[in-house]
Amino acid sequence: SQQGEEDPQALSIQEGENATMNCSYKTSINNLQWYRQNSGRGLVHLILIRSNEREKHSGRLRVTLDTSKKSSSLLITASRAADTASYFCATDASGANSKLTFGKGITLSVRP
Amino acid sequence: DAGVIQSPRHEVTEMGQEVTLRCKPISGHDYLFWYRQTMMRGLELLIYFNNNVPIDDSGMPEDRFSAKMPNASFSTLKIQPSEPRDSAVYFCASTLTRRSYGYTFGSGTRLTVV
Repeated sequence: SQQGEEDPQALSIQEGENATMNCSYKTSINNLQWYRQNSGRGLVHLILIRSNEREKHSGRLRVTLDTSKKSSSLLITASRAADTASYFCATDASGANSKLTFGKGITLSVRP
Repeated sequence: DAGVIQSPRHEVTEMGQEVTLRCKPISGHDYLFWYRQTMMRGLELLIYFNNNVPIDDSGMPEDRFSAKMPNASFSTLKIQPSEPRDSAVYFCASTLTRRSYGYTFGSGTRLTVV
């Protein structure tokens, strides 16, 4: 399956700490995306990284991509209680008719 | 822009009834997707449209499910007849181009079939 798999499944940290979440996938990709979902809400797009990119930043977010290891990581620096949410990686596999497929998600809890 | 708008937010229906979920994508977005989210299976793509044309419906679970996009600003997902195993949160999402931008999701419709 081309579906990304996130690790860990759940993460609990103290406010101010950094949170690192990982995603592994199986097939060649066009791009990889990270989304956040607050409880009872829709998914919010955070960042898209293309297969020819190695690192992207957006505010407190840093995403890396290692296509040789078929893995990505999402780092949230200086976490806040408001970062508490589920985080999903989604892979857009190479190929004209590929679909964006989502992993099962990581539950992040940031304690005040 | 108001974002992707879905209705209703919640739907409770009896088994065997017809259910219609509605979606208004962001104006100008060429792609529209219907996803279903459950605890067991996560997020599953059901069908997606490009310029109002269905491109891939291989994720539609059964013939009981159908989706239409009569124009660029409206799409429906219909389940007839509904079954308890259809209970899930159904999301609609849209994007400008499929590989250059992330998807914008609606708030979802929580469907409960009793």
